[in-house]
Amino acid sequence: EIVMTQSPATLSVSPGERATLSCRASQSVYSNLAWYQQKPGQAPRLLIYGASTRATGVPARFSGSGSGTEFTLTISSLQSEDFAVYYCQHYNNWPPLTFGGGTKVEI
Amino acid sequence: QVQLVESGGDLVKPGGSLRLSCAGSGFTFSDYYMSWIRQAPGKGLEWVSYISSSGSTIYYADSVKGRFTISRDNAKNSLYLQMNSLRAEDTAVYYCARGHGWIYFDYWGQGTLVPVSS
Repeated sequence: EIVMTQSPATLSVSPGERATLSCRASQSVYSNLAWYQQKPGQAPRLLIYGASTRATGVPARFSGSGSGTEFTLTISSLQSEDFAVYYCQHYNNWPPLTFGGGTKVEI
Repeated sequence: QVQLVESGGDLVKPGGSLRLSCAGSGFTFSDYYMSWIRQAPGKGLEWVSYISSSGSTIYYADSVKGRFTISRDNAKNSLYLQMNSLRAEDTAVYYCARGHGWIYFDYWGQGTLVPVSS
């Protein structure tokens, strides 16, 4: 099983600032990585797939990078609606599919 | 627009059974892989099960293998999860999600809560 580890668990930032979230895989997942955003009481929303491709309708301030075992989600200038929990998920060599533990982005 | 609507969540006692349903609309249901993913209260996301577009390939997480059964009825645009021998640790919001690529999830339902408690 591939273990996904996200850091930090909580990220405190101010609106307008840049946020950098990390995700590490226990073995290479190549570029088979997705990022999701989840707001309280809502279902997750796909942000990024293929490590760096934005999903339909996702603002350009969200960008993904990395390959192999190290990945980054960057939010270039945080908006109020971006405060949420972010999860990474690998989809290489499964089952099982696994998610990281999440990073909460808060004010 | 794509919609996934889960139903069937209810309070159930340990050892009991429950069947969840997920109705898809706004897309050709039979063209897509589907999965169930759950989230325990205040916790992260856990993939539960996968079914291919035809239903011929099925996978389960070890935590539910032998107790849960995924199925689909493409004629009814519906996905199901039969859950038996439920445990307290199965308490979660259960989401159905549409698979894309191999495999990430581009659309999710709103979730249905399954509390397991005596």
